[in-house]
Amino acid sequence: DADVTQTPRNRITKTGKRIMLECSQTKGHDRMYWYRQDPGLGLRLIYYSFDVKDINKGEISDGYSVSRQAQAKFSLSLESAIPNQTALYFCATSRGYGANVLTFGAGSRLTVL
Amino acid sequence: QKEVEQDPGPLSVPEGAIVSLNCTYSNSAFQYFMWYRQYSRKGPELLMYTYSSGNKEDGRFTAQVDKSSKYISLFIRDSQPSDSATYLCAMRRQGGSEKLVFGKGTKLTVNP
Repeated sequence: DADVTQTPRNRITKTGKRIMLECSQTKGHDRMYWYRQDPGLGLRLIYYSFDVKDINKGEISDGYSVSRQAQAKFSLSLESAIPNQTALYFCATSRGYGANVLTFGAGSRLTVL
Repeated sequence: QKEVEQDPGPLSVPEGAIVSLNCTYSNSAFQYFMWYRQYSRKGPELLMYTYSSGNKEDGRFTAQVDKSSKYISLFIRDSQPSDSATYLCAMRRQGGSEKLVFGKGTKLTVNP
């Protein structure tokens, strides 16, 4: 099994619908992140969490919310999806010390029509 | 000026070529420098990281950091078709902000 698992891998939805992307990890890392990847724009940080009680906004948090249900679970919600939220979303984890390298999930491709 | 600049390519080379991938940056406080490889329809995976200046070698891959020029490089020797992927540089300061700043990635194709 993958260290960082994202569900769903692909989702097509309509404008205005509520969408939840889920992430679970078996790395035992405290820190979890949600990134968005768009062609030409690279990876942009949406939200990050240092532990269950600590949630922080990233550079593009508007229109998104998150929930850290447990150390191993971090979900991203789009309360009312819009077409410009069509993107590839990645969950990542890290230990939070040293080089603090990120381990990414395989991604969730979201299309908002 | 963007914090991290990376030529998006695409870069196409024949099998066996030496590949040079580069990023420039503007923030002199960056201390950790990383290269991620991302295959199509996959998440980025860490390839190498270096702390501060210098070189680091791992098999066919060599990462170089020149802090005086604010320039980092990834060299791939004897490139293989399996090296075809998008390569992203990333960097961050020591301590302080947790933000990892990514380049936009360079798409590499190694032709058999």
